[in-house]
Amino acid sequence: QMQLHESGPGLVKPSETLSLACTISGASVHEYYWGWIRQAPGKRLEYIGFFFLSGTTNYNPSLRTPVTMSVDTSKNQVSLEMKSVTAADSALYYCARFRRGDYYFDVWGRGTLVTVSS
Amino acid sequence: QSALTQPASVSGSPGQSITISCSGSSSDIGTYNFVSWYQQHPDKAPKLLVYEVSHRPSGVPDRFSGSKSGSTASLTISGLQAEDEADYYCSSFSNTGTLVIFGGGTTLTVL
Repeated sequence: QMQLHESGPGLVKPSETLSLACTISGASVHEYYWGWIRQAPGKRLEYIGFFFLSGTTNYNPSLRTPVTMSVDTSKNQVSLEMKSVTAADSALYYCARFRRGDYYFDVWGRGTLVTVSS
Repeated sequence: QSALTQPASVSGSPGQSITISCSGSSSDIGTYNFVSWYQQHPDKAPKLLVYEVSHRPSGVPDRFSGSKSGSTASLTISGLQAEDEADYYCSSFSNTGTLVIFGGGTTLTVL
């Protein structure tokens, strides 16, 4: 059974770089597309982007903070990096398997909470 | 960015049926059949209920059904159960550049 587990620093200072990891078990990072979604407190889910091992990516152009996704095949992890974060980036961040052809997320991690504060 | 519109809340009694609407536009629901629905219980990750408008993943009860008319998608839950009390989000492909957009979420209360 596939499981996803997000991890991150919890607290990040404004203007710093946020780095999150998503460790995948029960499947290989090579096999599927992987996406990131976030949810600020009391707000709707927000699509961040998706990534595939070949380097195929899509990032939400509405995000004000630059985003980069990558993969570490040795750890079977996908990563999310956001540079120069602000308080608006405080949210619960989820990674999920992305079904690119049909544009939905069918397996989700439990999320990792990120607070941007000095 | 464009977004989908859902009612903030709906309610129903056990055994009843309820429908949650999700209003979009010609950039998303009105043109494409890439509509999905998610259920989220408090402090839990979202769970996929419906994809491609009306398809259910294995393990999702057939009490949950999806449909679409024009630019509005709907999720119907029949035979309401107490465990159905949760937040529900719709999502769609969008050709505006954001690729995937979500609704604001609907809180279902089972009376």
